[in-house]
Formats: sequence, C-alpha cells, structure tokens
Amino acid sequence: SAVISQKPSRDICQRGTSLTIQCQVDSQVTMMFWYRQQPGQSLTLIATANQGSEATYESGFVIDKFPISRPNLTFSTLTVSNMSPEDSSIYLCSVPIKGWGTEAFFGQGTRLTVV
Amino acid sequence: ILNVEQSPQSLHVQEGDSTNFTCSFPSSNFYALHWYRWETAKSPEALFVMTLNGDEKKKGRISATLNTKEGYSYLYIKGSQPEDSATYLCAFGQGGSEKLVFGKGTKLTVNP
Repeated sequence: SAVISQKPSRDICQRGTSLTIQCQVDSQVTMMFWYRQQPGQSLTLIATANQGSEATYESGFVIDKFPISRPNLTFSTLTVSNMSPEDSSIYLCSVPIKGWGTEAFFGQGTRLTVV
Repeated sequence: ILNVEQSPQSLHVQEGDSTNFTCSFPSSNFYALHWYRWETAKSPEALFVMTLNGDEKKKGRISATLNTKEGYSYLYIKGSQPEDSATYLCAFGQGGSEKLVFGKGTKLTVNP
C-alpha cells in the first residue's frame, strides 16, 4: 500500500492568513485529489491536482482561494488563502494508487481551525 | 448534483452486537461503490470497492452487498468490537470519472 505523508496534521490560524498543506506520496501518481470535510458534512472534492498543468476545480471552489501546486508526480500542496472561520475543516489529499477506479489512499489529514 | 445518503448518522451498540448501515446512491451511470473506515486522527482506510450488481464482499467480520439497479449498498459488522468504533464512509464512483462522491458517514461507537 502507498505511504502518503500529509502535513501539518493540525493548525490553529488567525482569520485573514493563509496555510499551505503538503502531501508527499512514496510513488509516482498521475492524479492527486484534495478534499475538505466541514463539520457535519461529507468529504467534498475541492480539486484534482494534475502534474504539468493547472488544477481542475470543482463547482464552488476557485483557484484564488485554494491555489494548488503539483511540481512533480509525488508531491502537491494546497493553500487555503485569506482564511475565515468557515474554512475550519479537515483537509485530505488522496490518490488512486492502483489506478483508475480503484480504492483511494488518503493522507492523515490536516485539521484546521480558524479563529 | 450527485447525492449519496448514509443512514443512520450515528449508532451506539454493545460489544458483541451485529449491526448494519445503508448507503444510497444514484442508480444511473454507476461505476463503483467504495466503503471506507475512518478512525479518529487516522487516514480513511478502504474496506471494499464493488463494481458489479449483486456483489458481496467480506473481510473478517465485515461484509458488504451491492444493488446497483435500486442504488443501495449495505455494510454489515458481525459481533462488533470496541476497535470497530469509527466513521464508515461510502463513496460513489461514476462512469467515466475518477472522482468519488462521499456520503456524510455513519459514526459507530461500540461500548465494551
């Protein structure tokens, strides 16, 4: 199984600041996904991070708020910009290590609290 | 907008009880149904990926069934143990897409 390292594991941030979350995979993967789970809600896909091209964002999520980098096939970052308390969530990176349509492997998650 | 519903939202059982949860998903353009277990402070961990109508999968005391025509899946836990306490997520995979649509999960607490 894949090893996915995500950091930080948790943080408490002031509103108006930004936080960058890192995700490192121990093998090369084509797609990496970034999810958010707000309190009481389902895991929701923010965007798909593509190597060598811009990320693909889901409806309701924009690049200015959640810029994503994907410099190579093993690493990605998600930045939560200009944070407000509504951004308090668990953020997860995910990869389908075994290929299209197979089980997803997840990072340990970043629990973000914005005060 | 795709909707994946899970019930119940939470469940408290005694050690040794058997239990089951439901996941409802769109019956059109189905590709796969995933089940994950998510323990606090850990990564969600895949339990099953099911693709065929009528599929039944088993891992130890946990099993799952799939009905793609009516759009539901059941997850069963036989003889629950305290270590089964977690949130169980189902996720719907649509044909032609890598993306998964998750339900809100069922939070299971097994009391010793």
